[in-house]
Amino acid sequence: GENVEQHPSTLSVQEGDSAVIKCTYSDSASNYFPWYKQELGKRPQLIIDIRSNVGEKKDQRIAVTLNKTAKHFSLHITETQPEDSAVYFCASTKWNAGNMLTFGGGTRLMVKP
Amino acid sequence: KAGVTQTPRYLIKTRGQQVTLSCSPISGHRSVSWYQQTPGQGLQFLFEYFSETQRNKGNFPGRFSGRQFSNSRSEMNVSTLELGDSALYLCASSLGRRGWNEQFFGPGTRLTVL
Repeated sequence: GENVEQHPSTLSVQEGDSAVIKCTYSDSASNYFPWYKQELGKRPQLIIDIRSNVGEKKDQRIAVTLNKTAKHFSLHITETQPEDSAVYFCASTKWNAGNMLTFGGGTRLMVKP
Repeated sequence: KAGVTQTPRYLIKTRGQQVTLSCSPISGHRSVSWYQQTPGQGLQFLFEYFSETQRNKGNFPGRFSGRQFSNSRSEMNVSTLELGDSALYLCASSLGRRGWNEQFFGPGTRLTVL
């Protein structure tokens, strides 16, 4: 089955700096890659997603890039703010298994004021 | 529109007991997926129900089961509880259309097995 590895497991940055989280997946048939943010004690929430027919997607300070050949995708957060502090999870799935997400292990991002 | 709700929010059980957790999806959503979240294993997919039928299943033992009712509400059951079943159980609802669907998570049920 699919395996998703996520790095780093923890990331500490100064407010205003950029943060990058990387994930690799094993199943070349995977074609949908969402990212979730989970604040302490709260539910995961989708922040951005990308499909395999797109190499990059941006939403304000958040962007995701996908390299299908290398089977990896990354989350980029620019101008980080303290409220960006949370655990971020990458995930993957494929068209015919749409709601069966395989998650990475998570990255705890700490933004220091 | 009301979000996904889960009951109960907290549960304490002892080994060998069984437990039933409930999930009410967003109105109009027909798919409910269940995930187990633990510090060691992260988020792992348990199963998905769509139109009262199990559509996908993860790699969990048969002690973990679920069902979905005609109003899309779903329950999951864990029998013969083990210490390792202590976890946050999250359900997620989506429209369930073919292909990719944004999943909306509930707040979770935290299960502690003593």
